Amino acid sequence: NAGVMQNPRHLVRRRGQEARLRCSPMKGHSHVYWYRQLPEEGLKFMVYLQKENIIDESGMPKERFSAEFPKEGPSILRIQQVVRGDSAAYFCAARTGGGGYTFGSGTRLTVV
Amino acid sequence: KNEVEQSPQNLTAQEGEFITINCSYSVGISALHWLQQHPGGGIVSLFMLSSGKKKHGRLIATINIQEKHSSLHITASHPRDSAVYICAVMENQGGKLIFGQGTELSVKP
Repeated sequence: NAGVMQNPRHLVRRRGQEARLRCSPMKGHSHVYWYRQLPEEGLKFMVYLQKENIIDESGMPKERFSAEFPKEGPSILRIQQVVRGDSAAYFCAARTGGGGYTFGSGTRLTVV
Repeated sequence: KNEVEQSPQNLTAQEGEFITINCSYSVGISALHWLQQHPGGGIVSLFMLSSGKKKHGRLIATINIQEKHSSLHITASHPRDSAVYICAVMENQGGKLIFGQGTELSVKP
């Protein structure tokens, strides 16, 4: 998945801390999606962003979660005051021409 | 009922066997993706389909839009094919994906 870069690959946070997950799509690609994979569950949509705009955040929890995709720099998924239930794999994906998708390698968040 | 249903959920095969994984969906879509995920690993897109059939090496994917059904076939399966295979449909508006629960495939030597 060299096209979409996510970091960090693994992130450990204590309950109550903040988690920041970063995603850099391929150059020139401005449609970014964040998905979450909870343990033993399937992938679920969280948010769809274009540069400087949130297009669809219908899958984002109402509190503690936010996302941005600034004009310059990576897309950021931010989770404030993390709880154990936030432990999951978070994947970023870029939508390419014709509807194709390229996924990042994911960030595995563990809340202890 | 989930909008995307896959079957089977788990599949064990002997090396060399022909494998079929099925996917049914209930929403309007612009395309369907088949994805592969290894344990602890990232997600790789195998196919994107909007009609008909596609083939890549030993993998074949088909879709029937009228019946809202797709299949992924693996011919001459190999232990390295062991992974989770995920069906995902792309909504008409916005392009977000709705995922099936995945099929965990184990191919024994």
